[in-house]
Amino acid sequence: DGGITQSPKYLFRKEGQNVTLSCEQNLNHDAMYWYRQDPGQGLRLIYYSQIVNDFQKGDIAEGYSVSREKKESFPLTVTSAQKNPTAFYLCASSRGQGGRSNSPLHFGNGTRLTVT
Amino acid sequence: GENVEQHPSTLSVQEGDSAVIKCTYSDSASNYFPWYKQELGKGPQLIIDIRSNVGEKKDQRIAVTLNKTAKHFSLHITETQPEDSAVYFCAAPYMKTSYDKVIFGPGTSLSVIP
Repeated sequence: DGGITQSPKYLFRKEGQNVTLSCEQNLNHDAMYWYRQDPGQGLRLIYYSQIVNDFQKGDIAEGYSVSREKKESFPLTVTSAQKNPTAFYLCASSRGQGGRSNSPLHFGNGTRLTVT
Repeated sequence: GENVEQHPSTLSVQEGDSAVIKCTYSDSASNYFPWYKQELGKGPQLIIDIRSNVGEKKDQRIAVTLNKTAKHFSLHITETQPEDSAVYFCAAPYMKTSYDKVIFGPGTSLSVIP
């Protein structure tokens, strides 16, 4: 079955360490996204990628970095510069390039990151 | 500016009753309106969507209505069941950027009481 796989489901890190969250899709989608979800809040866009080797900052990109070396993969690194990294991170993809489409987002099941 | 408002933030209904969640968007150029359901510990999943050329769409117990003039759209769930309990998000594209930035509403936590 096609879908998006995020790993790991739970991740624990010490403050000051960088950590990379994995996101893989086999939907053959061009566009991929990273969202952050905090309790009681909606989804906030961290980074998006319209196509391989291209990505753009979203609304809350500070303290995060991404890469898009393959169509299927869009890993997110949470750096030590991110002041409040503890959150639920969601990866998504869509058919259209850069979201300029009227197609829905397909989400993974998220990674819950806890930094202490 | 870009904004999607969603009401209510929490909703509790008896099993079998109907539930209605309303969203208002700001960008009059928006043309695609999806609804997502998020169960605990999972990612949001699309449950229904509507495009701006229609006013209503129905899929079994779920329906979405769109009023482009008023810039609002609503999710209707009839004959609610306990498995409908989840957080529901509406979304709309904000077209005034180089890409269709998707703006999500803050979510509605629906509880269906058996």
